[in-house]
Amino acid sequence: DVVMTQSPLSLPVTLGQPASISCRSSQSLVYSDGNTYLNWFQQRPGQSPRRLIYKVSNRDSGAPDRFSGSGSGTDFTLKISRVEAEDVGVYYCMLGTHPYTFGQGTKLEIK
Amino acid sequence: QVQLVQSGAEVKKPGSSVKVSCKASGGTFSTYTISWVRQAPGQGLEWMGKIIPMFGTTDYAQKFQGRVTITTDESTSTAYMELRSLRSEDTAFYYCARGATFDPWGQGTLVTVSS
Repeated sequence: DVVMTQSPLSLPVTLGQPASISCRSSQSLVYSDGNTYLNWFQQRPGQSPRRLIYKVSNRDSGAPDRFSGSGSGTDFTLKISRVEAEDVGVYYCMLGTHPYTFGQGTKLEIK
Repeated sequence: QVQLVQSGAEVKKPGSSVKVSCKASGGTFSTYTISWVRQAPGQGLEWMGKIIPMFGTTDYAQKFQGRVTITTDESTSTAYMELRSLRSEDTAFYYCARGATFDPWGQGTLVTVSS
């Protein structure tokens, strides 16, 4: 099975500073149709997860433009250009095809 | 705007079963996959399985094969997840999520397994 490994697992960030989360897969995520199905989710404290990014770099309409996704093959990154207080929570990458494996999660907190 | 509303919290005895519902509103139900994901307290997310309502086809994580059944009722735009032979380790929030890219999610249902 594909293993998704995130780093760091804990990310203290000063307000207004950038943040970056890495997600690495144990095998290439390029699907047979040529697409790469890698999604990013945000889970704020006490809330359900919410999709931020799908297919590596497509930002959801409800996600602020300070969030961006990039990467290819086995290495992917979620970047926040300037962290705001509402960004506190846990971020997960997820393989968007069977078996829909999630990364362990990265907990972002304000320093 | 699609919304998924799940049934309320459950407390179950070990060895019993639980059935959680997920009602969709505001969009087309039949053509979008519904997945179920669980999250043990303080832990990460774990995909359990999915269904395509239009076809009734299901796909389950190997870990839950034989113990979970996902169904739908198209007349009420509701998906169900039944987990059998419950044990304490099944204590978790259970979420439904719509579509191949998991958007949106339901509010979650806490299932507590305790004697």
